[in-house]
Amino acid sequence: GAVVSQHPSRVICKSGTSVKIECRSLDFQATTMFWYRQFPKQSLMLMATSNEGSKATYEQGVEKDKFLINHASLTLSTLTVTSAHPEDSSFYICSASGQGADSNQPQHFGDGTRLSIL
Amino acid sequence: AQSVAQPEDQVNVAEGNPLTVKCTYSVSGNPYLFWYVQYPNRGLQFLLKYITGDNLVKGSYGFEAEFNKSQTSFHLKKPSALVSDSALYFCAVRDRVSGNTPLVFGKGTRLSVIA
Repeated sequence: GAVVSQHPSRVICKSGTSVKIECRSLDFQATTMFWYRQFPKQSLMLMATSNEGSKATYEQGVEKDKFLINHASLTLSTLTVTSAHPEDSSFYICSASGQGADSNQPQHFGDGTRLSIL
Repeated sequence: AQSVAQPEDQVNVAEGNPLTVKCTYSVSGNPYLFWYVQYPNRGLQFLLKYITGDNLVKGSYGFEAEFNKSQTSFHLKKPSALVSDSALYFCAVRDRVSGNTPLVFGKGTRLSVIA
Protein backbone atom coordinates (compact mmCIF):
# COMPACT_ATOMS: atom_id res chain seq x y z
CA GLY A 1 0.00 0.00 0.00
CA ALA A 2 0.84 3.72 -0.02
CA VAL A 3 2.16 3.89 -3.57
CA VAL A 4 3.09 7.21 -5.12
CA SER A 5 3.56 7.37 -8.87
CA GLN A 6 5.57 10.15 -10.46
CA HIS A 7 5.65 10.83 -14.19
CA PRO A 8 7.68 11.29 -16.31
CA SER A 9 10.79 9.64 -14.91
CA ARG A 10 13.07 11.57 -17.24
CA VAL A 11 12.71 14.69 -19.35
CA ILE A 12 15.20 16.24 -21.73
CA CYS A 13 14.12 19.48 -23.36
CA LYS A 14 15.32 22.76 -24.77
CA SER A 15 15.79 25.93 -22.78
CA GLY A 16 12.59 27.98 -22.60
CA THR A 17 10.28 24.98 -22.54
CA SER A 18 7.75 24.47 -19.76
CA VAL A 19 7.72 21.04 -18.20
CA LYS A 20 4.92 19.45 -16.18
CA ILE A 21 5.58 16.70 -13.65
CA GLU A 22 2.72 14.67 -12.23
CA CYS A 23 2.54 13.04 -8.82
CA ARG A 24 -0.26 10.60 -8.07
CA SER A 25 -1.19 8.68 -4.97
CA LEU A 26 -2.43 5.36 -6.34
CA ASP A 27 -4.02 3.66 -3.36
CA PHE A 28 -4.68 6.39 -0.86
CA GLN A 29 -5.95 9.95 -0.74
CA ALA A 30 -3.18 12.46 -0.27
CA THR A 31 -4.30 15.55 1.56
CA THR A 32 -0.80 16.93 1.48
CA MET A 33 1.95 16.57 -1.07
CA PHE A 34 5.50 17.81 -0.87
CA TRP A 35 7.86 18.69 -3.70
CA TYR A 36 11.59 18.31 -3.29
CA ARG A 37 14.61 19.06 -5.41
CA GLN A 38 17.81 17.07 -5.11
CA PHE A 39 21.17 18.12 -6.51
CA PRO A 40 23.86 15.53 -7.22
CA LYS A 41 25.29 14.00 -4.05
CA GLN A 42 23.19 16.31 -1.91
CA SER A 43 20.21 16.00 0.36
CA LEU A 44 16.61 16.80 -0.42
CA MET A 45 15.61 20.44 -0.57
CA LEU A 46 11.97 21.06 0.21
CA MET A 47 10.49 23.35 -2.42
CA ALA A 48 6.85 23.56 -1.42
CA THR A 49 3.96 21.96 0.41
CA SER A 50 0.66 21.62 -1.38
CA ASN A 51 -2.69 20.91 0.20
CA GLU A 52 -5.62 19.75 -1.86
CA GLY A 53 -7.81 22.62 -2.93
CA SER A 54 -5.60 25.41 -1.66
CA LYS A 55 -2.52 27.35 -2.72
CA ALA A 56 0.85 25.79 -2.20
CA THR A 57 3.18 27.05 0.50
CA TYR A 58 6.62 27.71 -0.94
CA GLU A 59 9.89 27.58 0.95
CA GLN A 60 12.04 30.67 1.14
CA GLY A 61 14.01 31.24 -2.02
CA VAL A 62 11.74 29.16 -4.26
CA GLU A 63 10.12 31.21 -7.03
CA LYS A 64 6.41 30.47 -7.07
CA ASP A 65 6.02 31.88 -10.58
CA LYS A 66 8.79 29.63 -11.78
CA PHE A 67 7.59 26.45 -10.11
CA LEU A 68 3.82 26.27 -10.41
CA ILE A 69 2.16 23.72 -8.16
CA ASN A 70 -1.41 22.54 -8.51
CA HIS A 71 -3.13 20.09 -6.18
CA ALA A 72 -6.58 19.88 -7.67
CA SER A 73 -7.61 16.49 -6.30
CA LEU A 74 -6.81 14.17 -3.42
CA THR A 75 -4.77 11.94 -5.73
CA LEU A 76 -2.93 14.32 -8.03
CA SER A 77 -0.48 17.16 -7.67
CA THR A 78 1.49 18.71 -10.52
CA LEU A 79 4.68 20.74 -10.64
CA THR A 80 5.22 22.86 -13.73
CA VAL A 81 8.68 24.28 -14.32
CA THR A 82 7.97 27.31 -16.48
CA SER A 83 10.42 28.57 -19.09
CA ALA A 84 13.03 26.11 -17.89
CA HIS A 85 16.72 26.95 -18.11
CA PRO A 86 19.82 24.79 -17.67
CA GLU A 87 20.11 25.78 -14.00
CA ASP A 88 16.71 24.16 -13.41
CA SER A 89 18.20 20.80 -14.33
CA SER A 90 17.84 18.58 -11.29
CA PHE A 91 16.14 15.56 -9.78
CA TYR A 92 12.63 16.43 -8.60
CA ILE A 93 10.85 14.17 -6.12
CA CYS A 94 7.30 14.32 -4.84
CA SER A 95 6.03 12.90 -1.58
CA ALA A 96 2.57 12.41 -0.16
CA SER A 97 0.90 12.01 3.18
CA GLY A 98 -2.47 10.36 3.57
CA GLN A 99 -5.73 11.98 4.49
CA GLY A 100 -5.87 12.60 8.20
CA ALA A 101 -2.27 11.46 8.57
CA ASP A 102 -0.76 12.00 11.98
CA SER A 103 2.75 13.25 12.53
CA ASN A 104 3.92 9.71 13.24
CA GLN A 105 3.19 8.56 9.69
CA PRO A 106 5.97 8.36 7.10
CA GLN A 107 5.87 10.27 3.87
CA HIS A 108 5.61 8.15 0.74
CA PHE A 109 7.82 9.11 -2.16
CA GLY A 110 7.57 8.92 -5.91
CA ASP A 111 10.51 7.64 -7.94
CA GLY A 112 11.55 11.10 -8.99
CA THR A 113 11.92 12.95 -12.29
CA ARG A 114 15.31 13.66 -13.81
CA LEU A 115 14.99 16.98 -15.62
CA SER A 116 17.71 17.98 -18.06
CA ILE A 117 17.50 21.33 -19.82
CA LEU A 118 19.76 21.78 -22.82
CA ALA B 1 13.59 24.20 15.22
CA GLN B 2 14.10 20.63 14.16
CA SER B 3 17.32 19.33 12.68
CA VAL B 4 19.08 16.10 11.84
CA ALA B 5 22.78 15.45 11.61
CA GLN B 6 24.36 12.56 9.75
CA PRO B 7 28.04 13.05 10.54
CA GLU B 8 29.37 10.67 7.90
CA ASP B 9 29.16 11.42 4.19
CA GLN B 10 30.38 7.92 3.35
CA VAL B 11 30.48 4.59 5.16
CA ASN B 12 32.39 1.64 3.74
CA VAL B 13 31.92 -1.87 5.07
CA ALA B 14 32.86 -5.34 3.92
CA GLU B 15 30.10 -7.72 2.96
CA GLY B 16 29.04 -9.85 5.90
CA ASN B 17 30.24 -7.35 8.47
CA PRO B 18 27.88 -5.34 10.68
CA LEU B 19 27.09 -1.82 9.56
CA THR B 20 26.11 1.34 11.39
CA VAL B 21 24.94 4.61 9.89
CA LYS B 22 24.84 7.39 12.43
CA CYS B 23 22.12 9.95 13.06
CA THR B 24 21.55 12.52 15.76
CA TYR B 25 18.60 14.83 16.00
CA SER B 26 17.36 17.98 17.64
CA VAL B 27 13.72 18.80 18.36
CA SER B 28 12.01 20.93 20.94
CA GLY B 29 9.80 18.11 22.18
CA ASN B 30 9.64 14.38 21.66
CA PRO B 31 10.53 13.13 18.20
CA TYR B 32 9.22 10.78 15.62
CA LEU B 33 12.23 9.39 13.76
CA PHE B 34 12.49 7.77 10.35
CA TRP B 35 15.05 6.11 8.09
CA TYR B 36 14.80 6.06 4.32
CA VAL B 37 16.98 4.51 1.61
CA GLN B 38 17.52 5.88 -1.89
CA TYR B 39 18.86 3.85 -4.79
CA PRO B 40 20.29 5.61 -7.87
CA ASN B 41 17.73 7.62 -9.82
CA ARG B 42 14.93 6.51 -7.52
CA GLY B 43 12.80 8.13 -4.85
CA LEU B 44 13.13 7.41 -1.16
CA GLN B 45 11.95 4.13 0.29
CA PHE B 46 10.76 3.98 3.87
CA LEU B 47 12.79 1.59 6.06
CA LEU B 48 11.58 2.07 9.61
CA LYS B 49 10.33 4.52 12.18
CA TYR B 50 10.40 5.12 15.90
CA ILE B 51 7.23 6.36 17.51
CA THR B 52 7.18 5.10 21.07
CA GLY B 53 7.82 2.00 23.12
CA ASP B 54 10.77 -0.30 22.53
CA ASN B 55 13.89 1.67 21.74
CA LEU B 56 15.03 -0.95 19.22
CA VAL B 57 13.00 -0.71 16.05
CA LYS B 58 13.10 -3.36 13.35
CA GLY B 59 12.40 -2.49 9.74
CA SER B 60 12.66 -3.66 6.15
CA TYR B 61 15.52 -5.71 4.65
CA GLY B 62 16.94 -6.69 8.05
CA PHE B 63 17.66 -3.14 9.16
CA GLU B 64 17.09 -1.93 12.68
CA ALA B 65 17.65 1.29 14.56
CA GLU B 66 18.09 2.15 18.20
CA PHE B 67 16.54 5.22 19.73
CA ASN B 68 18.69 6.75 22.46
CA LYS B 69 17.00 9.69 24.10
CA SER B 70 19.92 10.72 26.29
CA GLN B 71 22.26 10.88 23.31
CA THR B 72 19.53 12.13 20.94
CA SER B 73 20.58 9.49 18.46
CA PHE B 74 18.86 7.06 16.13
CA HIS B 75 21.61 5.03 14.49
CA LEU B 76 20.73 2.59 11.72
CA LYS B 77 22.21 -0.88 11.99
CA LYS B 78 22.33 -4.22 10.25
CA PRO B 79 24.11 -7.30 11.62
CA SER B 80 25.43 -8.51 8.26
CA ALA B 81 25.79 -6.17 5.29
CA LEU B 82 24.99 -7.16 1.71
CA VAL B 83 26.40 -5.64 -1.46
CA SER B 84 22.82 -4.79 -2.41
CA ASP B 85 22.58 -2.55 0.67
CA SER B 86 24.85 -0.06 -1.08
CA ALA B 87 22.76 3.10 -1.40
CA LEU B 88 22.14 6.55 0.06
CA TYR B 89 20.53 6.58 3.50
CA PHE B 90 18.57 9.44 5.01
CA CYS B 91 17.54 9.99 8.60
CA ALA B 92 14.52 12.23 9.22
CA VAL B 93 12.69 13.71 12.18
CA ARG B 94 9.38 15.28 12.94
CA ASP B 95 8.28 16.85 16.20
CA ARG B 96 5.25 15.05 17.65
CA VAL B 97 3.21 18.18 17.91
CA SER B 98 3.92 19.50 14.42
CA GLY B 99 1.13 17.62 12.69
CA ASN B 100 1.33 16.66 9.03
CA THR B 101 4.33 18.83 8.25
CA PRO B 102 7.23 17.78 6.03
CA LEU B 103 9.92 15.63 7.52
CA VAL B 104 13.26 17.26 8.23
CA PHE B 105 16.01 15.23 6.57
CA GLY B 106 19.68 14.83 7.24
CA LYS B 107 22.11 15.33 4.39
CA GLY B 108 22.40 11.62 3.75
CA THR B 109 25.10 8.99 4.15
CA ARG B 110 26.35 6.93 1.25
CA LEU B 111 26.87 3.31 2.20
CA SER B 112 29.19 1.17 0.13
CA VAL B 113 29.31 -2.54 0.86
CA ILE B 114 32.35 -4.17 -0.66
CA ALA B 115 32.34 -7.81 -1.69
